[in-house]
Amino acid sequence: NAGVTQTPKFQVLKTGQSMTLQCAQDMNHNSMYWYRQDPGMGLRLIYYSASEGTTDKGEVPNGYNVSRLNKREFSLRLESAAPSQTSVYFCATWTPPNYNEQFFGPGTRLTVL
Amino acid sequence: QKEVEQNSGPLSVPEGAIASLNCTYSDRVSQSFFWYRQYSGKSPELIMSIYSNGDKEDGRFTAQLNKASQYVSLLIRDSQPSDSATYLCAVNMAGGYQKVTFGTGTKLQVIP
Repeated sequence: NAGVTQTPKFQVLKTGQSMTLQCAQDMNHNSMYWYRQDPGMGLRLIYYSASEGTTDKGEVPNGYNVSRLNKREFSLRLESAAPSQTSVYFCATWTPPNYNEQFFGPGTRLTVL
Repeated sequence: QKEVEQNSGPLSVPEGAIASLNCTYSDRVSQSFFWYRQYSGKSPELIMSIYSNGDKEDGRFTAQLNKASQYVSLLIRDSQPSDSATYLCAVNMAGGYQKVTFGTGTKLQVIP
């Protein structure tokens, strides 16, 4: 089992370009999350999906959109990238039924020039 | 005031010593508390979770929770160089669907 996978691992964009970060999990978990991690800021929740077909905003949703394509896949889209979106992005899931452990993907390092 | 506060460090301890990492949180009704370890360039991995007041031990790790003081700590006994990493405190704040708030992390350096 791969757990949580993310693609790409690295990406460089120019301001105004768009891209989609992909996340997939093979653990059959319902909930999936997108975080960003910046130096000195900790992990901040962008969007989450409690189950297939639902998505909700987290702490820092501006400039992002998400799609819960199916139970396995949860994508994050930057429509018009800005330098402030330079960050490391992590996808994560929670283990049911007690939600006592969160599994993270390996991350995507994004630089916006 | 930050919702979850940690000293950024670095905290340097000699090999074999006890490392003590501290975290305070602002929301009194928080229910779940987690410690994650994150090696440089890697993703966070859960090492301890604690839900009730007192101590919880797992191998060389002990988590301590004091809800009255809104304080959670992680003790690492017999520290090893491989424990050198950033340790993230995370708290499940009231009112969200498993929406945890993370501290900024404490960098631990274990000196051989």
